[in-house]
Amino acid sequence: DGGITQSPKYLFRKEGQNVTLSCEQNLNHDAMYWYRQDPGQGLRLIYYSQIVNDFQKGDIAEGYSVSREKKESFPLTVTSAQKNPTAFYLCASSRGLAAVNEQFFGPGTRLTVL
Amino acid sequence: KQEVTQIPAALSVPEGENLVLNCSFTDSAIYNLQWFRQDPGKGLTSLLLIQSSQREQTSGRLNASLDKSSGRSTLYIAASQPGDSATYLCAVADSNYQLIWGAGTKLIIKP
Repeated sequence: DGGITQSPKYLFRKEGQNVTLSCEQNLNHDAMYWYRQDPGQGLRLIYYSQIVNDFQKGDIAEGYSVSREKKESFPLTVTSAQKNPTAFYLCASSRGLAAVNEQFFGPGTRLTVL
Repeated sequence: KQEVTQIPAALSVPEGENLVLNCSFTDSAIYNLQWFRQDPGKGLTSLLLIQSSQREQTSGRLNASLDKSSGRSTLYIAASQPGDSATYLCAVADSNYQLIWGAGTKLIIKP
């Protein structure tokens, strides 16, 4: 089956730790995205990548980092610099720009800071 | 700055009713408007995409309309079923090809 996988489903982090969220897609999509979802708010874009070895900051990139070494993979690292990381994180991919092409979403990772 | 609002935040209706979900945006210079569905604790599924030049799009029991001049879109669901219970989000693609998201409407269909 083609789709997007995210792991883990639930993640707990102690303050001061860095954690990495995994996102893999087998849709052969060029573009991949990371969003953060908080209760009562719309999705906010953290980082996006339109092609391998290239990525751009979104609206709330501070405290996060990404890499895009392979077309299929776009991991997100939540660093200790992110002051309020508890949230639901969604990864998405699309054939081209998300604004023009249908976006496909993974099941999400819920991160909780202890 | 483009802002997207979805009112109400939650809606509960009996099974079988036709219903309308609302999405409003502040800047009419949009590329398209998209509707998504999100089940609890899950990712999003794309439902409909309306280009700025279009007035509506239909998929099965769903019909989405777009009125750019008034900054409004509606998602019409016909003959609602309990399986339609979910959160529905709209997003507009602005002139910079960025998606701006609403906070969603949580829909509950009572059997």
